[in-house]
Amino acid sequence: AQSVTQLDSQVPVFEEAPVELRCNYSSSVSVYLFWYVQYPNQGLQLLLKYLSGSTLVESINGFEAEFNKSQTSFHLRKPSVHISDTAEYFCAVSDPGSARQLTFGSGTQLTVLP
Amino acid sequence: DTAVSQTPKYLVTQMGNDKSIKCEQNLGHDTMYWYKQDSKKFLKIMFSYNNKELIINETVPNRFSPKSPDKAHLNLHINSLELGDSAVYFCASSASNQPQHFGDGTRLSIL
Repeated sequence: AQSVTQLDSQVPVFEEAPVELRCNYSSSVSVYLFWYVQYPNQGLQLLLKYLSGSTLVESINGFEAEFNKSQTSFHLRKPSVHISDTAEYFCAVSDPGSARQLTFGSGTQLTVLP
Repeated sequence: DTAVSQTPKYLVTQMGNDKSIKCEQNLGHDTMYWYKQDSKKFLKIMFSYNNKELIINETVPNRFSPKSPDKAHLNLHINSLELGDSAVYFCASSASNQPQHFGDGTRLSIL
C-alpha cells in the first residue's frame, strides 16, 4: 500500500519569502501525485497534479512542484508567498491508471506572517 | 452552480442517534467518495462508488452505510453514533483517472 510523508506539520514564513513544503511517497513504481489546499472551514481544492510528462508542474497562483523519482519526492514550492496562501496543504498519491485510490499525507499548515 | 454539495454543513447530535449526510455532484462524474477527516486533519477514505457500485470499502464500522441512488448522489447513513464519530466528513467525485473534486465538508459533533 502507498504511504505519503509530509515531514513538516507546520511551516511559518514571512510574507514575500520563499517556501518549500516537503512530500515523500513510498512507492518506487510509477505514481500519480497531487497537492491539495484546504482553506479554513472549506473542502480540499486541487492545487496541481503530476500524471506523466514534464516533472515540473505549475499552478495558476505561483506554486510549483517537481516530481523526483529517484528521491520519491514531490515537494511544493513558491518563490514569494502572500498572506492569502495561509492554509493546510495536503500531498496525495495514487497508483497509475487510477486516481480513485488516493492516499493522503498528514498535511502541512502553512502560515504566512505579515 | 456548486460542483460537489453536501448537506448539512454542520450536524450536532447526541450519542446513539442515527443521522444521514447527503452528497450531490453536478459534474457528470462516474465515481463518488466519502472521506473522514479527524481532529488532527488526517484524511482517510471510507467508501467509493463507481456507477452506483461499491468499489472501495475501507475498514469502517458497519454502523456506516453508504447509499448511491444514482451516479450523481452518494449519501452516508450512520447508525448509533459514538463520540469517536466526531469529525469532518467530505464527499468527493471524479471522472475516470482524473483528480477528485471535494465538497465543503460536514462537521459532525457528537454530544
